[in-house]
Amino acid sequence: DAGVIQSPRHEVTEMGQEVTLRCKPISGHNSLFWYRQTMMRGLELLIYFNNNVPIDDSGMPEDRFSAKMPNASFSTLKIQPSEPRDSAVYFCASSPTGLAGHKSSYNEQFFGPGTRLTVL
Amino acid sequence: SQQGEEDPQALSIQEGENATMNCSYKTSINNLQWYRQNSGRGLVHLILIRSNEREKHSGRLRVTLDTSKKSSSLLITASRAADTASYFCATVPLDSSYKLIFGSGTRLLVRP
Repeated sequence: DAGVIQSPRHEVTEMGQEVTLRCKPISGHNSLFWYRQTMMRGLELLIYFNNNVPIDDSGMPEDRFSAKMPNASFSTLKIQPSEPRDSAVYFCASSPTGLAGHKSSYNEQFFGPGTRLTVL
Repeated sequence: SQQGEEDPQALSIQEGENATMNCSYKTSINNLQWYRQNSGRGLVHLILIRSNEREKHSGRLRVTLDTSKKSSSLLITASRAADTASYFCATVPLDSSYKLIFGSGTRLLVRP
């Protein structure tokens, strides 16, 4: 199993440019998460998909951020336009559990290697 | 926002010694998990303890949970240089089946 795959691993762009981050979750996992990690704020959940449907996007910082999951094996996180304060490491994670099973479910999440984004 | 605070923020020990990291959280939980992050890498799940459990073991790892104090500890016994990493606790709030809220992490350095 290849694990969660993210691309690119590193992205350097200039302020105002569009950035697209990509994620391929582990096959069979029906939950997908996008996180952002910074020194100041730690790890923050941006958005959660279950069975390709966005369930919780309350962590998306503003309208410049959008995420899609067109099918079970692919998701994108887009920032348009990008700003220097968006510089961070962005992680995608997947989990085999979903909304079914609820409180007794096993919520281990499998993380990708991350994309280090630098906006100049 | 972060739910948990971890203590200490950084820990440096000699290989072979035990390392203890503590995590405190604010709200009632479904379960608590510990993750490890090596520099420049993603997080790796280590162990999960449910709210009705008090202690759990996995290899050299021992986790305790005290829900009355809203705290947990991770003990790594007989540490190795390869254990050098950041360790995060993450809680699943009682009203959520999916949301992981991460603590601020402990940076562990194991000196050879």
